[in-house]
Amino acid sequence: DAGITQSPRHKVTETGTPVTLRCHQTENHRYMYWYRQDPGHGLRLIHYSYGVKDTDKGEVSDGYSVSRSKTEDFLLTLESATSSQTSVYFCAARTRGVDSEAFFGQGTRLTVV
Amino acid sequence: AQKVTQAQTEISVVEKEDVTLDCVYETRDTTYYLFWYKQPPSGELVFLIRRNSFDEQNEISGRYSWNFQKSTSSFNFTITASQVVDSAVYFCALSEGSGSARQLTFGSGTQLTVLP
Repeated sequence: DAGITQSPRHKVTETGTPVTLRCHQTENHRYMYWYRQDPGHGLRLIHYSYGVKDTDKGEVSDGYSVSRSKTEDFLLTLESATSSQTSVYFCAARTRGVDSEAFFGQGTRLTVV
Repeated sequence: AQKVTQAQTEISVVEKEDVTLDCVYETRDTTYYLFWYKQPPSGELVFLIRRNSFDEQNEISGRYSWNFQKSTSSFNFTITASQVVDSAVYFCALSEGSGSARQLTFGSGTQLTVLP
């Protein structure tokens, strides 16, 4: 158990509504990530964080924002959900930087109708 | 920019066959790390192995082995005597040693199905 918990695990929301996904970790990992998984695309990085209040964009960041006010929590917000954001979202965390493996949460299945 | 290519979208083998999953990467850095992850049907992502760019020794762990070749920018994964429980999506990933050093870039994955 890597101590990474995502909530909610499943969510259905309507187009145009805001949605926030939460990632909580208990292992004091410095680096945290949000990925989305879609068929044919594997895991694509949305945003990542390298410390409290330190975040940066990944390759598919449009339409998403993140916040990290505490080491243990990394929030992903869809300001106005669209059907193209229907996906499975994974949170990951790493203790060190480039040389450490990432531990993943269980994933959140988000459906935008 | 770093990039990982897994050209095999789906592979199907019969139990006890050997199977190799290909991974080709692109990076401008001389220091980087490569990873393999497994995603079984239950959906969680499981770390399998890490390899740094300075260590080209092949790795063997039970029925799993990894072949890292810098000359061809490849980090291939072989399962010997495959079993039904090996059925999963396998991801290769790359982390560079500088620049956007904190990113971890994944390939698109290979769906492996092992038939009984």
